[in-house]
Amino acid sequence: AQKVTQAQTEISVVEKEDVTLDCVYETRDTTYYLFWYKQPPSGELVFLIRRNSFDEQNEISGRYSWNFQKSTSSFNFTITASQVVDSAVYFCALSEYTSGTYKYIFGTGTRLKVLA
Amino acid sequence: EPEVTQTPSHQVTQMGQEVILRCVPISNHLYFYWYRQILGQKVEFLVSFYNNEISEKSEIFDDQFSVERPDGSNFTLKIRSTKLEDSAMYFCASSEALVNGYTFGSGTRLTVV
Repeated sequence: AQKVTQAQTEISVVEKEDVTLDCVYETRDTTYYLFWYKQPPSGELVFLIRRNSFDEQNEISGRYSWNFQKSTSSFNFTITASQVVDSAVYFCALSEYTSGTYKYIFGTGTRLKVLA
Repeated sequence: EPEVTQTPSHQVTQMGQEVILRCVPISNHLYFYWYRQILGQKVEFLVSFYNNEISEKSEIFDDQFSVERPDGSNFTLKIRSTKLEDSAMYFCASSEALVNGYTFGSGTRLTVV
């Protein structure tokens, strides 16, 4: 069965430190999508990135970067020079195609606390 | 930027009561979804909906749950007889095409007392 593991339950860093959030997934599909979402204290899910399984290029967006390694089934997320506003729960998700639809399998999330 | 709108943002209901959670997906989107997040836990798939019927539902989505697209713009989730364990954040999402990413709404926090 499809599965997403975020082994880090909670991470605390001091502002300006770099931090990496780990995500490991399991899937039988050859085509799939991986996602990261941010959930601030207000509760909404903020989309950060979508990556398809054929695109193994790493991506950088400002202070955010993602490292997709198909060989190790990992899709890790790094925040460079963290800020207090980065404090949130971050979810990694994997798409699963069944019955004519894509549903998302979420990991359990990593709570990031950035201290001033 | 187009949004998925959910109302209400917070609903408190008595155990055993029926609740309807409302969602307005993005207008040209064809695929609709409900997800649930019990406080402090992960987000879980409930149901997907396409072409006016359910495409897939999870084990959580039992006979107490139903979904409807009553008027071509709203997408509702009904819980017939709420239980304490239905307390959660419920997220609606929509997508334009099957392989496109979802747009999630900001959620409805349901509290059953």
